[in-house]
Amino acid sequence: DTAVSQTPKYLVTQMGNDKSIKCEQNLGHDTMYWYKQDSKKFLKIMFSYNNKELIINETVPNRFSPKSPDKAHLNLHINSLELGDSAVYFCASRRQGTETQYFGPGTRLLVL
Amino acid sequence: GENVEQHPSTLSVQEGDSAVIKCTYSDSASNYFPWYKQELGKRPQLIIDIRSNVGEKKDQRIAVTLNKTAKHFSLHITETQPEDSAVYFCAASIGPNTGFQKLVFGTGTRLLVSP
Repeated sequence: DTAVSQTPKYLVTQMGNDKSIKCEQNLGHDTMYWYKQDSKKFLKIMFSYNNKELIINETVPNRFSPKSPDKAHLNLHINSLELGDSAVYFCASRRQGTETQYFGPGTRLLVL
Repeated sequence: GENVEQHPSTLSVQEGDSAVIKCTYSDSASNYFPWYKQELGKRPQLIIDIRSNVGEKKDQRIAVTLNKTAKHFSLHITETQPEDSAVYFCAASIGPNTGFQKLVFGTGTRLLVSP
């Protein structure tokens, strides 16, 4: 159950702050994703990395900066947090050559 | 870009009844269609998927059908149980599985199974 893990699980912070979310997968997958799930439960892709290279950037504000130090890790740094950033952020991973994406437990971000 | 519509948004059934959730997609290049179940406060978990070269797939009480011509796919749950209560998401994949591959999700269906 810890194949895709995220830290922290909960994050409460003030508007204007900068925060980071971390994701790690021990499945040996090549591709990792960040999704945002808003209060209406809409799941929307934000970024994808394949072998540490950014391959998908879905018109996300440049306050969001993903970083992949290696294939097993994908972090998300958010600058100047806004109220609208409040959401659950899910990391996911996939093995190249297969289609199934496996999701992490999510990070619940609340911006006050 | 790809768009996935999902209906209904909520579905209430009695235990033992069947439940059907329907999705349509816009990009004819989509080739992979997973269904995820998300329980309250938990991560989305894959329950079944279907590829574009198959019309139907079944796994115990769950089945998925795909009509490529009409760009429709559906999830069928038979003999529903209270533990089936959750939000269900359909998704359509675009891009090759070798690298660039993106899942576009439907808006979700909240299924409530009453005992």
